Amino acid sequence: AQKVTQAQTEISVVEKEDVTLDCVYETRDTTYYLFWYKQPPSGELVFLIRRNSFDEQNEISGRYSWNFQKSTSSFNFTITASQVVDSAVYFCALKGNTPLVFGKGTRLSVIA
Amino acid sequence: GAVVSQHPSRVICKSGTSVKIECRSLDFQATTMFWYRQFPKQSLMLMATSNEGSKATYEQGVEKDKFLINHASLTLSTLTVTSAHPEDSSFYICSARRIPGKSSSYEQYFGPGTRLTVT
Repeated sequence: AQKVTQAQTEISVVEKEDVTLDCVYETRDTTYYLFWYKQPPSGELVFLIRRNSFDEQNEISGRYSWNFQKSTSSFNFTITASQVVDSAVYFCALKGNTPLVFGKGTRLSVIA
Repeated sequence: GAVVSQHPSRVICKSGTSVKIECRSLDFQATTMFWYRQFPKQSLMLMATSNEGSKATYEQGVEKDKFLINHASLTLSTLTVTSAHPEDSSFYICSARRIPGKSSSYEQYFGPGTRLTVT
């Protein structure tokens, strides 16, 4: 069975602070994909990143960075110098040989 | 980029009526489309997977006679909520899998969602 755990239900930070959203996954598949999505209050899912299981390189995109560690089955997401516009629910997701499975999401509130 | 649209974005209907939601892939062909349901402050739960020209595969606990899915073409899938009840009120999100190109990387794109309220 595939499973994604986002242990942090809600996080609140003050603007300009760095924040890391945790994601731990479980799968028996050797080939799989990991994703992060942002869901602002409007509801539309915004794709942030896709990473396949053979690529453990960390990635940085502007203020966003991702740390993929197969040894700990984690795919954590860090926002540097957070902004109010980063306030949203963030979902980590896993795709192996079964349909995409989502974590329960982490609600991030960035306070000005 | 790949765009998926949904119509309508919001709908209010009376209990006992049926509602149809359309999902279209605007600039790509999708052999597979997915329907998710999201209750307030919860995660997305997959309802069913549909492949163009064949019957949808429903997840455990999802009533196939209540949630009718039709995937008649490579760019259109519809979800019909039949005899809707207030407990069916939810945010319904469709998603389309793009036919892999040269990269063969898995690509799945999401629509903006449809908020259904049953009164």
